Amino acid sequence: DAGVIQSPRHEVTEMGQEVTLRCKPISGHNSLFWYRQTMMRGLELLIYFNNNVPIDDSGMPEDRFSAKMPNASFSTLKIQPSEPRDSAVYFCASSFRASVSNQPQHFGDGTRLSIL
Amino acid sequence: QQQVKQSPQSLIVQKGGISIINCAYENTAFDYFPWYQQFPGKGPALLIAIRPDVSEKKEGRFTISFNKSAKQFSLHIMDSQPGDSATYFCAASREGETSGSRLTFGEGTQLTVNP
Repeated sequence: DAGVIQSPRHEVTEMGQEVTLRCKPISGHNSLFWYRQTMMRGLELLIYFNNNVPIDDSGMPEDRFSAKMPNASFSTLKIQPSEPRDSAVYFCASSFRASVSNQPQHFGDGTRLSIL
Repeated sequence: QQQVKQSPQSLIVQKGGISIINCAYENTAFDYFPWYQQFPGKGPALLIAIRPDVSEKKEGRFTISFNKSAKQFSLHIMDSQPGDSATYFCAASREGETSGSRLTFGEGTQLTVNP
């Protein structure tokens, strides 16, 4: 079974450039989550979607970050302009329903982002 | 009030020993407590989860103990194996909250099981 697919796996770019991270959730899942993982702050939820609609974006750090889910099988997280402090591993996760207590969140293998 | 505190930060256990990781939470509205296991280069994967209406849940070598009055829960790994070496995260969430299915994660524990 195909799990959550993220691309690219690694991204190295210079400060000020636009970065686009991509995610394909598990087929049939209707909730999608974007997380950021750093040594300092651990795992943080950035935003999540239910049925392609953003439900909670309170974790998005600032206006430089934006996320879209144009259809049930694709989501993007954009950073523009990127800054060195955005360097982290970004995870996408999906689940069958928004309530995590009923269905587990399945994580992708992440995108390791380095901003020089 | 949304914090989940996890300890220890790192843990070294001999093969066959018991690994114990502890978490404490503040928000009494939390009603779902999962543990996730993460291997290097991989995303976290759900290991086991518990609701506060039970004090213990066991799945194979993994057991969650839950103390509602103390607002604490712990993961016990019996007969620890080198393959269990990974980072473990506790988490908590509140079901039915309109603002979402926000999982609040602990800081993580890096477990090393020596052969």
